[in-house]
Amino acid sequence: DQQVKQNSPSLSVQEGRISILNCDYTNSMFDYFLWYKKYPAEGPTFLISISSIKDKNEDGRFTVFLNKSAKHLSLHIVPSQPGDSAVYFCAAIPGTYKYIFGTGTRLKVLA
Amino acid sequence: KAGVTQTPRYLIKTRGQQVTLSCSPISGHRSVSWYQQTPGQGLQFLFEYFSETQRNKGNFPGRFSGRQFSNSRSEMNVSTLELGDSALYLCASSGSGANVLTFGAGSRLTVL
Repeated sequence: DQQVKQNSPSLSVQEGRISILNCDYTNSMFDYFLWYKKYPAEGPTFLISISSIKDKNEDGRFTVFLNKSAKHLSLHIVPSQPGDSAVYFCAAIPGTYKYIFGTGTRLKVLA
Repeated sequence: KAGVTQTPRYLIKTRGQQVTLSCSPISGHRSVSWYQQTPGQGLQFLFEYFSETQRNKGNFPGRFSGRQFSNSRSEMNVSTLELGDSALYLCASSGSGANVLTFGAGSRLTVL
């Protein structure tokens, strides 16, 4: 059973526009969430995180929103740049020394 | 400082063989975890070690095992390889109390 779901396997966005990547989770006990970005032939790199006590966290062009009642997480990238083209994974930490990752969304930013 | 180093980067094995993958964490990081990435499945948690002790294990068969040494370096072993074990195996390390994992570039295993 997939406890963290990214239902869109891919997304294409024009350069300069907003990219919105979505993530749903099933377990209300999850208390910390992260987004990772992965380029081909490289390991995932940390992008941004949010604790369940917050509903928004911002870092430059990247903002993560958390809707606890809907068990929904989203990552907004504004403005999108071609270098943002990568696979994005959301992850939850259930507090047991492991991450639960989603299946990833491949973002393509078109120049 | 040096990142997480995984060796080998690529390897090809045949069914029934075994494989050992190595991971050197960031200096000072004592937690090392392993993930399997396959198309459509995302990253699946294998196990996590801290100070040579396995603290958590994912839902993988006993053919998958790991260990951590006193210098925090870690190895994972897969015995009796199956075609479905073909994947990218990622190692990550983190400092004490840190939530952020730093990943290596991975070891891509192909089983023929």
